[in-house]
Order: sequence, then structure tokens, then C-alpha cells
Amino acid sequence: QVQLQEAGPGLVKPSETLSLTCSVSGGSIRSGSYYWGWIRQPPGKGLEWIVSMFYSGGTYYNPSLQGRVTMSVDASNTQASLELTSVTAADTAVYFCASSSSEYSYRFWDYWGQGIPVTVSS
Amino acid sequence: QSALTQPASVSGSPGQSITISCTGTSTDIGFYNYVSWYQQHPGKAPKLIIHDVRNRPSGVSNRFSGSKSGSTASLTISGLQAEDEADYYCSSYTTTSNLLFGGGTKLTVL
Repeated sequence: QVQLQEAGPGLVKPSETLSLTCSVSGGSIRSGSYYWGWIRQPPGKGLEWIVSMFYSGGTYYNPSLQGRVTMSVDASNTQASLELTSVTAADTAVYFCASSSSEYSYRFWDYWGQGIPVTVSS
Repeated sequence: QSALTQPASVSGSPGQSITISCTGTSTDIGFYNYVSWYQQHPGKAPKLIIHDVRNRPSGVSNRFSGSKSGSTASLTISGLQAEDEADYYCSSYTTTSNLLFGGGTKLTVL
């Protein structure tokens, strides 16, 4: 059973870079056919897909965020990272790490972290 | 691409059935059978309850069912229970490898 845990600063200043990590247990990022990704939820609003990544190199971005988003995996294959540059108040949200067991696809997400709230404010 | 369209709220009494619609376009719901539904209780992470239009993950109650007609998907909850009160989100993969979510529907159990 895959378990995910997000970590990172809860407060980021405007124009700076938001950096979050997702620790994976019960599985390895580089094994199997899982996709890994990030999804966010602004306060009182709906879900927004940010990025999806497969260990062999396929990375897909929400077009509205592409250019500001980077997702990577560390050498231990147990941690995925998200970086979002040039943040504004519109990036204030709960950020969820998620994984998909849907066989080389990210069409649904069946494992979720608990989420980490991030506020962009000076 | 715009978010999928869901009603803001629905309600029903215990034991009744309700249906939540999710409308997309010919490049998402209308193209693939890749619609999923999530249940989210306040302060919690979303939980996958339906994938690929009508498939329930292991452990999800058979009171939840999904369907699709054209570019509109639907989630039906039968035998409403108090614990079903939550926000529900639909999602669809798209022809441009995007993943869209609906705006969410708040279910109130009266």
C-alpha cells in the first residue's frame, strides 16, 4: 500500500519559489507502472491538476502552469519534489501529492497524501 | 481548456438516490472513457470512488455508480447515508494529455 506525505514551508513570499517534497513509502517511484504527481486546491475552491511524472522520463504539465513548474525525483527514489517559480497570491492552496496505479497513465489518482497548505504572502 | 461543469450543490434525504452530472466536451469526456469521481470530506484528501466511467476501486460501496452519455458523465449515489455528505469532483483525461477537474458539487444529506 503506497503512502504519501508532503512537506515544505507553509508560507512563501510573492515572486519567490515554492518548493515541496513528497515522501513515498510502501513502494518505489522507479518501480512498476505508476505515475506520480501534484494536485492543488485553493481555499474554498476545486481541484487543479499541476503535473504528472513517470520515472522513465515522461512528464506532463497543466498548460496554465507550464513554464513555472518542475517535478523531479531524488536518487533514493523515495521522494518526489515540486518547484513552482514566481508565485503570486493565486498560488495559495493546499498542495496534494498523489500517485496513479492506472498502468502507465494518470487518468485517475488512487493514492493521496494528506495535503500541505501553502500561503503566498509578504 | 475550461474545467468540467458540475452543479454547485445537490441534496437528498437518507435512503434516497441522487445523481451528480459532469459536462465536458468532445475532447475530454466525449472522447475517452477516462472519467473518474472523487469524494472529499472537509479537511481531508480526495478519495477515488469511481474510475474509467463506472469502475469502483476495491472497498468502495456499491451504492456509488457511474455512467456516461456523450460528453456528460454522471455519478449516482443510492441509499443515501449521512456519511455521504461531502464534496464530489469529477475528472477527465483529455486529447491534449491534460487532466481536467470539475468545480465540485456539495452534497447535503437532509
